[in-house]
Amino acid sequence: EVQLVESGGGLVKPGGSLRLSCAASGFTFSNAWMSWVRQAPGKGLEWVGRIKSKTDGGTTDYAAPVKGRFTISRDDSKNTLYLQMNSLKTEDTAVYYCTTVDEYCSSTSCYAVDYWGQGTLVTVSS
Amino acid sequence: QSVLTQPPSASGTPGQRVTISCSGSSSNIGSNYVYWYQQLPGTAPKLLIYRNNQRPSGVPDRFSGSKSGTSASLAISGLRSEDEADYYCAAWDDSLSVNYVFGTGTKVTVL
Repeated sequence: EVQLVESGGGLVKPGGSLRLSCAASGFTFSNAWMSWVRQAPGKGLEWVGRIKSKTDGGTTDYAAPVKGRFTISRDDSKNTLYLQMNSLKTEDTAVYYCTTVDEYCSSTSCYAVDYWGQGTLVTVSS
Repeated sequence: QSVLTQPPSASGTPGQRVTISCSGSSSNIGSNYVYWYQQLPGTAPKLLIYRNNQRPSGVPDRFSGSKSGTSASLAISGLRSEDEADYYCAAWDDSLSVNYVFGTGTKVTVL
């Protein structure tokens, strides 16, 4: 069974830092491109960023609101994804989800399955 | 700020057909696949449609997606009470830098 379990959320003051973790199991984590998506209370979904598999370069991409403040990394030996959040702002308050999708199309058929964690709440407040 | 625009709400009675629109631009929907997610109350989102009109295994064929130009739509036919949820479109956006953009979200209510 595939599981993604986030941890590390909590209350932090503006300007502070927090590191989220996402422990993966049940699939080949090292092959997966992983993403973080957040959802502010009562609001819609917002993509935070992603990290490719090391096989595909291991590069990262970030949404404009977090670029330069957040860093996504991975430890394939521990099957764990991380989100280091620095210089936090009140507008970063949200539930943070880690997610991955396995998507493939051949000439005759397509396949896709997505996995999400349960989310971890980050509250930035003084 | 979402760059994909959806109506905030949609509703129907059981058995009806409901359609949700998603409006974007040439840098996202116009040049990339559209994805749809369903988020039931208090749960994580779930992929409903990928690559414009493909359904992951397990998603009922009552759900269908389409795309034309810079707009897309999700149709739910034979509406059921368990379809009451928030629905989001999404697409990769090629402007400036790599970015995955979600729609503003549509709350579907089953009357």
